[in-house]
Amino acid sequence: AQKVTQAQTEISVVEKEDVTLDCVYETRDTTYYLFWYKQPPSGELVFLIRRNSFDEQNEISGRYSWNFQKSTSSFNFTITASQVVDSAVYFCALSGNTPLVFGKGTRLSVIA
Amino acid sequence: EPEVTQTPSHQVTQMGQEVILRCVPISNHLYFYWYRQILGQKVEFLVSFYNNEISEKSEIFDDQFSVERPDGSNFTLKIRSTKLEDSAMYFCASSESPRDSGNTIYFGEGSWLTVV
Repeated sequence: AQKVTQAQTEISVVEKEDVTLDCVYETRDTTYYLFWYKQPPSGELVFLIRRNSFDEQNEISGRYSWNFQKSTSSFNFTITASQVVDSAVYFCALSGNTPLVFGKGTRLSVIA
Repeated sequence: EPEVTQTPSHQVTQMGQEVILRCVPISNHLYFYWYRQILGQKVEFLVSFYNNEISEKSEIFDDQFSVERPDGSNFTLKIRSTKLEDSAMYFCASSESPRDSGNTIYFGEGSWLTVV
């Protein structure tokens, strides 16, 4: 069965610090897809990134970067120079032969 | 940018009443989904819908729930005889292709249902 583990329940950082959100997944599918979504206090789910299992290239988008390592089944998310607007719950998710499965989320608080 | 829209944003209903949550998926998308998130918990899959029929559903999606695409734009979730434990945020979502093609699923802003 698909499973996503986000071991960090809550993280608090001071503005401008870097922060890494961990995501570990389990799947028996040979082809699968990994996602990160952001849920700000307003409640919506905002898509951030999708990564295919056959593409281990890391990605950077502005202050955001993602490190996908198949060998450790991890898909970690780093925010560089965090800002107060980054405060949200971040969900890692996995899909393949089963519907999208979410982790429990990590609540990030960025303090000014 | 196209988005999934949901109404109502918040609904309070009496236990035992029926509720209909409405969604307008992104216009060129063919696959539609409902997920729910009980307060403070993770987002859980309820059902997926394609070509006017349910393609997958979870254990949560029992006979109390139904989905419908009544016209070319709306996608609805009906909850019959609501229970206190149905209180949750319900997210509608859509994608161009099936999720097993890796296509991104885009979510709406959610409908917060409170059953009292």
